[in-house]
Amino acid sequence: AQSVTQLDSQVPVFEEAPVELRCNYSSSVSVYLFWYVQYPNQGLQLLLKYLSGSTLVKGINGFEAEFNKSQTSFHLRKPSVHISDTAEYFCAVSAPGYSSASKIIFGSGTRLSIRP
Amino acid sequence: KAGVTQTPRYLIKTRGQQVTLSCSPISGHRSVSWYQQTPGQGLQFLFEYFSETQRNKGNFPGRFSGRQFSNSRSEMNVSTLELGDSALYLCASSLDGTSGTYEQYFGPGTRLTVT
Repeated sequence: AQSVTQLDSQVPVFEEAPVELRCNYSSSVSVYLFWYVQYPNQGLQLLLKYLSGSTLVKGINGFEAEFNKSQTSFHLRKPSVHISDTAEYFCAVSAPGYSSASKIIFGSGTRLSIRP
Repeated sequence: KAGVTQTPRYLIKTRGQQVTLSCSPISGHRSVSWYQQTPGQGLQFLFEYFSETQRNKGNFPGRFSGRQFSNSRSEMNVSTLELGDSALYLCASSLDGTSGTYEQYFGPGTRLTVT
């Protein structure tokens, strides 16, 4: 079985500072990894995904994440945040061959709040 | 392309009533999934439909049901509403659900409040 843990429920950061949102997963098979963002009163939007290949994945809005197999992590980073990045961020894991929404495991979310 | 749309966006019901939520996927997408999102439980998978057939169901009571139409639009129904059913209900669509990567596109959700 797979699982995903987002280590921080809330992360406060000053505007223009760098940020890292942590995500660790557990799986006995190879994985697909995703980061989604949810702005207030909206649904989830895909930020980036790791399927295979390069371990450094670049996404939208200046975000990137690095897949680290040895540490079973997929942390999300941004070098300089803006007020508009205030949102909740979800890490999710699935596995190749399990092409069903029921097999996607979502983390509990990290609320990113940006202070001016 | 238009995104996933959900109607209504907000709904207030009383205990014991029933409710129907609607979801229109992205044009060409044949797979629709539903999730319940609450502060305490996070995102929980409700069910998944593909080509009008329920492919998977999450661990929810039988009061929660759904269906998908031939145009891929989907509805979910909750009967005999309970206070604990208050949540944001999200719909997500995917191209065909067989690619293995399962990239989903989410709608804005329906905020259901049960009083």
